[in-house]
Amino acid sequence: KAGVTQTPRYLIKTRGQQVTLSCSPISGHRSVSWYQQTPGQGLQFLFEYFSETQRNKGNFPGRFSGRQFSNSRSEMNVSTLELGDSALYLCASSWGTGEYNTGELFFGEGSRLTVL
Amino acid sequence: AQKITQTQPGMFVQEKEAVTLDCTYDTSDPSYGLFWYKQPSSGEMIFLIYQGSYDQQNATEGRYSLNFQKARKSANLVISASQLGDSAMYFCAMRETNTGNQFYFGTGTSLTVIP
Repeated sequence: KAGVTQTPRYLIKTRGQQVTLSCSPISGHRSVSWYQQTPGQGLQFLFEYFSETQRNKGNFPGRFSGRQFSNSRSEMNVSTLELGDSALYLCASSWGTGEYNTGELFFGEGSRLTVL
Repeated sequence: AQKITQTQPGMFVQEKEAVTLDCTYDTSDPSYGLFWYKQPSSGEMIFLIYQGSYDQQNATEGRYSLNFQKARKSANLVISASQLGDSAMYFCAMRETNTGNQFYFGTGTSLTVIP
């Protein structure tokens, strides 16, 4: 069974550019969550999508957005990049959400973004 | 207030010895789940063990066990018979049932196993 796949694994952008990261969840999983990991702030929740609908959103500016497709694949977009957006972006999937899911999140290896 | 607190930034343990990584949590939700993840230098978060708030017994998974003390709101991870491959960052996390799949993570503990 294939795990969570994130692309690209590494990328370098300059300030002001935008970036799109992709995540393919484990087959059958309908929930996809995104997390930002930085040395200073640790792991912070960005948002969760379930059945193409955003279920929950963390405390990030509107420059951070996402979407989920009918096949459960998800993308997140960061516009007008800032130096502070340099981070490891982790995608995680699970079969359900909320009270219907007591299982763990399955994480991908992450996309490491460097903003120059 | 922090939802998850890990007070040990770094820990060292001798190979084959046991080690306890501390985690305390804060929630008013009666239904929640507690998780431990391992993150090697490659970056991927690897699930280790889960404890539900209503579980009566402490969770165990192979060499990993979770010392769950509900009244103290602590969920410490115990790794027995440490191996060199256990060297990694360890994160404690919590999910409150009412907030979907939003996990709250601690700041992590860097574990180094010494041969």
